[in-house]
Order: sequence, then C-alpha cells, then structure tokens
Amino acid sequence: SSELTQDPAVSVALGQTVRITCQGDSLRSYYASWYQQKPGQAPVLVIYGKNNRPSGIPDRFSGSSSGNTASLTITGAQAEDEADYYCNSRDSSGNHLGVFGGGTKLTVL
Amino acid sequence: QVQLQQWGAGLLKPSETLSLTCAVYGGSFSGYYWSWIRQPPGKGLEWIGEINHSGSTNYNPSLKSRVTISVDTSKNQFSLKLSSVTAADTAVYYCARGRLFGRSYYYYYMDVWGKGTTVTVSS
Repeated sequence: SSELTQDPAVSVALGQTVRITCQGDSLRSYYASWYQQKPGQAPVLVIYGKNNRPSGIPDRFSGSSSGNTASLTITGAQAEDEADYYCNSRDSSGNHLGVFGGGTKLTVL
Repeated sequence: QVQLQQWGAGLLKPSETLSLTCAVYGGSFSGYYWSWIRQPPGKGLEWIGEINHSGSTNYNPSLKSRVTISVDTSKNQFSLKLSSVTAADTAVYYCARGRLFGRSYYYYYMDVWGKGTTVTVSS
C-alpha cells in the first residue's frame, strides 16, 4: 500500500481546469513532486518544490500544497495532457524513504 | 544536458539475479541520489532504492533483503542487483537522478530518468 493517496481517475473537458490531489502525512514536511507518464514512455517531472516547473513544461501546469495535501493543477487542459500522473515524496515512517502515490489516470474529454 | 543510459538482461528465470546498470552522461555524479524505480505491467511506480556518490544507500523495506545498489564513480555508473527473482518482479525498471535538500521543508524530486528496461521473469 502507498503512503501517498491519489484518486485513481479524473476527467476534464478540453480547455477546462483540473486538479489532481495527493494526500499523505509526509507532505507536511516534504514538497510533493509530480510526474506525467504517457503509455510506453518513462515518467517526466512536471512540478517540484513549492511550485517549480522544469524547463520545457508548459505554464498551464502548477502545484500547490496545504497541510497533508498536495495538488497538481492543469489550467486549460489539452488533449496531449491525457496521461497518468504520479506524486512522489519521502515516507513518514522516520526512515524518509522514497514513495509514490498510486497514480491518477487523467482523461481529457 | 544530463542523460541516463541503462542496460541489463531482459529475460530471467525464477531464482536468478536481476542485474541492471545505469550510466550518467553530461553531468556531475556528486550531490545527487541515484535511484531505481520499477513499474509492473499495468500498475504504478514503485521506488526500489537509491545511492549517493559516497555509497550511502536506502532501500524499499519490502525489497531490502534482496536488493543491492552500488556505484562506480570512476565510470559515473550505478547498478541494481535483485536476487531470487520471481514472476512478481516482472516490470519495467527505470534509473533516475534524485535531488533531496531543504531545511524546515524539504524538496525531493527525480528530474532525469532513463528510458527503462523491461525485465521479464519466466521459466
């Protein structure tokens, strides 16, 4: 079982805004990072830290955090944003090991 | 631009040892956590473990008894060994560069990934 909890599936209409959430106790100490994964491809980092985008990631992707919940927001979702999204942090057990959320399948309608 | 190139055997029999290597091109080896992640078919990502440039390791408790991650700084490479594999270890295995820093609130992320190696365990 994952120490980070994500909704398994979310859908959004083309051009609308969608928020994907990740819950876990460790998020009170660690910023979540977010990864986009398309079929047959390696994950790609889209958000890290408080709200940082790696070079090449569109500015429609943003991140936020409150308490034990981190959120990835896509403002004006595009067809190419349809993918699996994973959050990532360290665990809250005291060993501070890496952990992923179960992933959210985003469908753009 | 940093790139990770990974390789290793793709087909194993039960009880054999999985062995993968990841080479780091175009960047410093120190200051990062060099990580392994896997993804079983149709499932999510699983963090396997990590090593830093000085050889300090952290492992997923569920795999710890079978996993060894090592580093060869002279070649800018790090490796994964997973012993006594079973069909449950069938997955795509990724190497990645991890960063961990901060004070009162910590940053942790993996910003560079290898393309993945498909490993199948079958008799």
